[in-house]
Amino acid sequence: ETGVTQTPRHLVMGMTNKKSLKCEQHLGHNAMYWYKQSAKKPLELMFVYSLEERVENNSVPSRFSPECPNSSHLFLHLHTLQPEDSALYLCASSQGLQEMNTEAFFGQGTRLTVV
Amino acid sequence: AQKVTQAQTEISVVEKEDVTLDCVYETRDTTYYLFWYKQPPSGELVFLIRRNSFDEQNEISGRYSWNFQKSTSSFNFTITASQVVDSAVYFCALSTAGNMLTFGGGTRLMVKP
Repeated sequence: ETGVTQTPRHLVMGMTNKKSLKCEQHLGHNAMYWYKQSAKKPLELMFVYSLEERVENNSVPSRFSPECPNSSHLFLHLHTLQPEDSALYLCASSQGLQEMNTEAFFGQGTRLTVV
Repeated sequence: AQKVTQAQTEISVVEKEDVTLDCVYETRDTTYYLFWYKQPPSGELVFLIRRNSFDEQNEISGRYSWNFQKSTSSFNFTITASQVVDSAVYFCALSTAGNMLTFGGGTRLMVKP
């Protein structure tokens, strides 16, 4: 496998469910990111991890909980979500934080629908 | 604060037409990088190009070309002889020292046969 892999590709969950999104990168990068993409706000940065430590949390509700157990894996734990949380969740990685000249590599995303 | 504006939310062209996607950015930094990404229907964003603020040379890669003009804070993207496979959402992005990528709202390009 190469690049950034996200599972599942599609997820439908009720508002009382607990689920997790998984991201795995095979690029040897040491920074990973979660983005939310919806019709209202096309690309919102949610969380940033560098060397497994969270370095940025852009005022994301606590019903979203990230976890980065190692530099290759990133999770997004979901609980008691709202219908407005339905969106495409994209994971990305980069060699080092998104410093000026570093491009990010993205996964195909998880299409989340909250019912 | 930094901002990227892609005024065209959706563009529709017929195959073989040329199309230009506009990108205007705002930053107070003198050193920065600009990017274009393509998001096909499969979902993942694919990196297309990176340009630093000191290099105003235009770039051509096959049917793709980029026009960077600091005087107007623009970094426009032109696809020559468009093809159906070019149909995607295209994002322009900006990064400055100490800041993560700031994305524009994206332009959905539809190329009809």
